[in-house]
Amino acid sequence: ETGVTQSPTHLIKTRGQQVTLRCSSQSGHNTVSWYQQALGQGPQFIFQYYREEENGRGNFPPRFSGLQFPNYSSELNVNALELDDSALYLCASSFMVYTDTQYFGPGTRLTVL
Amino acid sequence: AQKVTQAQTEISVVEKEDVTLDCVYETRDTTYYLFWYKQPPSGELVFLIRRNSFDEQNEISGRYSWNFQKSTSSFNFTITASQVVDSAVYFCALSGNQAGTALIFGKGTTLSVSS
Repeated sequence: ETGVTQSPTHLIKTRGQQVTLRCSSQSGHNTVSWYQQALGQGPQFIFQYYREEENGRGNFPPRFSGLQFPNYSSELNVNALELDDSALYLCASSFMVYTDTQYFGPGTRLTVL
Repeated sequence: AQKVTQAQTEISVVEKEDVTLDCVYETRDTTYYLFWYKQPPSGELVFLIRRNSFDEQNEISGRYSWNFQKSTSSFNFTITASQVVDSAVYFCALSGNQAGTALIFGKGTTLSVSS
């Protein structure tokens, strides 16, 4: 069974640029959730995708957007990067939409200069 | 609103000591789920346990045990005979029972186990 994978591992961007992060869900899972974890903090929910549609969203601005593909993989796009976007971005997959256990990938460390 | 509080920011113990990580939660939902995750220095969140609000039985898994008490809204985690490999950040998390529900995490407790 393949676990959740994310790419790239690390990324450095400058303020104002755009970035795309990728996530492959665990085999058999159809739901993907994205979280942002600032240094020294707990992860914060960005949004969740189920059957290629956004199924819930946290308190993040519209410049954070996402996609889910038919194979349940997902992308997180962030436009107009700001310094505060520097964080670890975690992707989690689960089998069911409701409160199923979420299994996390290794994360993408984004640094915005 | 849902909230998770982990009052202990950092804990340092010596190997073989027992250590308890505290977690207090707030929710108005009658059905909810509680989780513990471990985050080693590599950054990946590793799932440890899931409990639903109707199951107050304590659980033991090897050196790990969990005490869930609805009366005090607490879901504490005890590591018995700690080892250096237990050093990590531990997060308690809460989720509700609605579509699109998210995990609400506490700020985490950093556990350092020295030899």
